[in-house]
Amino acid sequence: EPEVTQTPSHQVTQMGQEVILRCVPISNHLYFYWYRQILGQKVEFLVSFYNNEISEKSEIFDDQFSVERPDGSNFTLKIRSTKLEDSAMYFCASSESGRDQDTQYFGPGTRLTVL
Amino acid sequence: SQQGEEDPQALSIQEGENATMNCSYKTSINNLQWYRQNSGRGLVHLILIRSNEREKHSGRLRVTLDTSKKSSSLLITASRAADTASYFCATDPNTGNQFYFGTGTSLTVIP
Repeated sequence: EPEVTQTPSHQVTQMGQEVILRCVPISNHLYFYWYRQILGQKVEFLVSFYNNEISEKSEIFDDQFSVERPDGSNFTLKIRSTKLEDSAMYFCASSESGRDQDTQYFGPGTRLTVL
Repeated sequence: SQQGEEDPQALSIQEGENATMNCSYKTSINNLQWYRQNSGRGLVHLILIRSNEREKHSGRLRVTLDTSKKSSSLLITASRAADTASYFCATDPNTGNQFYFGTGTSLTVIP
């Protein structure tokens, strides 16, 4: 069964460094998402992406964040200058379409630790 | 806030018993989904129920939706130790395609 994959599974970085989290969505899906979950807290929406542009973003997704689909398979989340509070699990998801009844399929997540 | 809120926050039961988790939300929705998350791992989609549906079954899972009360419940029957996980409801409001996740119910099934 097709699945969303994410790399790395765990990333440790120093405060102020740039990180890129990678995701490979399910191949025929057209909508892509990033979510994060700070330890012990709820999953929070960051951004959705369709047709090579951001379709929605939350207030968490500030200028330090960017997303890109550099080729036909990868979907990346870049944090330009990491802060301690960026430490979280980051989940990528994809859906076949953006229709209201569509299921989003989540990857296993990348645990980001900012020291 | 449009976010779903689950209760109880934590639930501990014996293997074989049924587990019921509830979710409440605040705005009108297109659908509501339940996800499972094993500790530190990814979210696994369990079931989607549309706003015009009242009940849905999938294996040992039964989900109900009451749009008048803005609430949903997830029932896991004949629980197993492997059902130990956090369970989240996610609501898809009428605008946009982002989901709003609640804080989750942590279920422990004791063998």
